[in-house]
Amino acid sequence: EPEVTQTPSHQVTQMGQEVILRCVPISNHLYFYWYRQILGQKVEFLVSFYNNEISEKSEIFDDQFSVERPDGSNFTLKIRSTKLEDSAMYFCANPSRDRDYGYTFGSGTRLTVV
Amino acid sequence: GIQVEQSPPDLILQEGANSTLRCNFSDSVNNLQWFHQNPWGQLINLFYIPSGTKQNGRLSATTVATERYSLLYISSSQTTDSGVYFCAVVNYGGSQGNLIFGKGTKLSVKP
Repeated sequence: EPEVTQTPSHQVTQMGQEVILRCVPISNHLYFYWYRQILGQKVEFLVSFYNNEISEKSEIFDDQFSVERPDGSNFTLKIRSTKLEDSAMYFCANPSRDRDYGYTFGSGTRLTVV
Repeated sequence: GIQVEQSPPDLILQEGANSTLRCNFSDSVNNLQWFHQNPWGQLINLFYIPSGTKQNGRLSATTVATERYSLLYISSSQTTDSGVYFCAVVNYGGSQGNLIFGKGTKLSVKP
């Protein structure tokens, strides 16, 4: 099964700073998702991206967040001015090409805001 | 929106024991997956099982879509099975296929 790769694996940032999280999804896939998991809690949907546009976003995805596709293969999640409560694990995901496999998640970026 | 409830929230087993984890969901689904979150935080896809039964080694899963539940069976548990197990669903006809996660079952397997 193809992999979804994320960088960095861990990032520590000062409160108020901008961070950019990166993901390389399964190639040539139109659907793409970002999820967040605060430590010890469940995984929550942030935003979905279809054919180069945001198709849906959750209440969590406020004006501090943005998602872009700077080139044909990479996706980024940007948090403009980080808050302490943004500390979490951030995952990107694709539906797999194999219909019997479901969604493939990246290995995640652990963001720590200090 | 669809609700996903997992039970039990916590489970402690002795190595070698068997266990059953349950996932109830409140509406029809066209995707259901079981994930294992390892100590490094990675989400490992165990099963894609919107209906029926699948087996992979010591793990198996069954989803009864008409009754809106899924079960994950772990046999002969090992310490490496420890971690959090999540059930996640996509609501049938729901919004662009967003996975909705349950709160997970935290499994601890003692040697």
